[in-house]
Amino acid sequence: EIVMTQSPVTLSVSPGERATLSCRASQSVSSNLAWYQQKPGQAPRLLIYGASTRATGVPARFSGSGSETEFTLTISSLQSEDFAIYYCQQYNNWPPDDTFGPGTKVDVK
Amino acid sequence: EVELVESGGGFVQPGGSLRLSCAASGFTFSTYEMNWVRQAPGKGLEWVSYISPSGNSMYYADSVKGRFTISRDNAKRSLYLQMNSLRAEDTAVYYCARIGGGCSYNGCYGYWGQGTLVTVSP
Repeated sequence: EIVMTQSPVTLSVSPGERATLSCRASQSVSSNLAWYQQKPGQAPRLLIYGASTRATGVPARFSGSGSETEFTLTISSLQSEDFAIYYCQQYNNWPPDDTFGPGTKVDVK
Repeated sequence: EVELVESGGGFVQPGGSLRLSCAASGFTFSTYEMNWVRQAPGKGLEWVSYISPSGNSMYYADSVKGRFTISRDNAKRSLYLQMNSLRAEDTAVYYCARIGGGCSYNGCYGYWGQGTLVTVSP
């Protein structure tokens, strides 16, 4: 099983500031990496797939980078609606054995 | 508009069974791979199961293999998850999920239902 880890656990950021979230895979997942945003009581929302491609309708302030085992999600200027939990997920294998990271909570500083 | 609506959650005792449903609309259901993903209260996300568009191929997470069965009825535009031998650790919100958001690979879950809560408790 590919184990995903995320850091930090919690990131305290002021509105308008930049947030950088990290995700690491225990083995290479190529670019088969997605990022999701989840707010309380809601289903996750796909932000990034293919490590760096924004999903439909996702604002340009969200960007993803990385490959193989090291990935980053950057939110260039945090808006109030961006305070949430962010999960990375690998979908590299077939048959599927997708695994998610434990999440990073972005809260208000 | 793509819509996924889960139902069938509830309280069940350990060792019991439950069948979840996911009603799909707004897209050609029979042409899409479908998945179940769960989230224990206050915890992260866990992929549970996959089914091919025809229903001929199914895969499961090791944690549910042998206890859960995924199926679909394309004529009814519905996805199912039969859960047997339930354990306390199966307590979670169960989401059905489909690719979307521009991604064409299974695993990029661009569409999610609202989830249905399963609680396994004595």
